Amino acid sequence: AQKITQTQPGMFVQEKEAVTLDCTYDTSDQSYGLFWYKQPSSGEMIFLIYQGSYDEQNATEGRYSLNFQKARKSANLVISASQLGDSAMYFCAMRDLIANRDDKIIFGKGTRLHILP
Amino acid sequence: DGGITQSPKYLFRKEGQNVTLSCEQNLNHDAMYWYRQDPGQGLRLIYYSQIVNDFQKGDIAEGYSVSREKKESFPLTVTSAQKNPTAFYLCASRTGTGVNQPQHFGDGTRLSIL
Repeated sequence: AQKITQTQPGMFVQEKEAVTLDCTYDTSDQSYGLFWYKQPSSGEMIFLIYQGSYDEQNATEGRYSLNFQKARKSANLVISASQLGDSAMYFCAMRDLIANRDDKIIFGKGTRLHILP
Repeated sequence: DGGITQSPKYLFRKEGQNVTLSCEQNLNHDAMYWYRQDPGQGLRLIYYSQIVNDFQKGDIAEGYSVSREKKESFPLTVTSAQKNPTAFYLCASRTGTGVNQPQHFGDGTRLSIL
């Protein structure tokens, strides 16, 4: 079964600095997709960025980029020029297709990011 | 606006009582999901449904039940058999199968025991 590992339970970063949130995954599939979500203290889940296993370029969305290293099975999220509003919980997730039928998304345990003024 | 609506935002349950959490989406998505989140933890899958009138158990289905009679609706019932129901519950939907389809989430329901 697929598995997502986020090894940083919490991080403190100075405002305006770049920050990297780690995510490693385990899958035997050749075709897979990786997602990052942000969860502010209010609780809603906000989709940030997607990376496909066959994408040749690393995904970027504004200040978010994904450092995708397929051979290492890692998909780290990079936030450039961090802002106070980036303080939140961040989840890495992956599609898990079982027996070519059951299609679900699995999540890591998350990293809580604190941006310091 | 298209989206996912969860209600109520806060819910209190008495011992031995069943409660139902509502989840409605107008995104025309085929698949819908229920997750449980405990404080400081990740999301654990309770149930999911890929088409109407069909659903599958997730990792922590015991003490919960669902129905999927309409494409737009996927209510979750927390039964009295769920001994520790206090948590944040998130409903999500997805347009269908495909590696590049993200889930869209509702704003969640916080359930507490009285």
